[in-house]
Amino acid sequence: QSALTQPPSASGSPGQSVTISCTGTSSDVGAYNYVSWYQQHPGKAPKLIIYKVNERPSGVPDRFSGSKSGNTASLTVSGLQAEDEADYYCSSFVGGNNVDYVFGTGTKVTVL
Amino acid sequence: QVQLQESGPGLVKPSGTLSLTCAVSPGSISNGHWWTWIRQSPGKGLEWIGEIFHSGSTNYNPSLKSRVTILVDKSENQFSLKMTSMTAADTAVYYCARNWNWGFDYWGQGTLVIVSS
Repeated sequence: QSALTQPPSASGSPGQSVTISCTGTSSDVGAYNYVSWYQQHPGKAPKLIIYKVNERPSGVPDRFSGSKSGNTASLTVSGLQAEDEADYYCSSFVGGNNVDYVFGTGTKVTVL
Repeated sequence: QVQLQESGPGLVKPSGTLSLTCAVSPGSISNGHWWTWIRQSPGKGLEWIGEIFHSGSTNYNPSLKSRVTILVDKSENQFSLKMTSMTAADTAVYYCARNWNWGFDYWGQGTLVIVSS
């Protein structure tokens, strides 16, 4: 199972929005609404910020939103804040004969 | 607030076996979740290794399946990872995590495993 494709980097000024894409296939992203997104600061464990494409866990600001169209999922961070500078990873459930999960290649978000 | 804590040796010899344990607290490991191992190689992304249910049912990454065993110890409220035939390519930070709604909501702090002689 190949990693989902994300852009290596994205950036925006404080207050602006940034959108990160996550492209998979009809066997993963396109097949299930089980895409999740993670924020990872240096030296820390990833933190779940979106699950099931567009749902936010309790405590995650509504500045974070997710969507999906076909084989591509997207994460939008609105109203960028300095603390949003981090690496972001998507993940998708992969069903079929074997339960599997695949992660994205990761995107470094820089707040200018 | 669930806490997960990985433990195990940080150095494994090439061709050796990695053994890690993840302690879950508070609450029971038998509360209906799947418990997961994920790793992150230096400078690379995340890789799902596999998961276990309290019944002992497991799912493994097909690319690692031949080398991986995940077990659960309900009496100790923990689960473990064994990975054989380790090579330098297996050097990574290993995380345990809880599967919730097909995402991973609670993570351990991660433990760095280096494969070197």
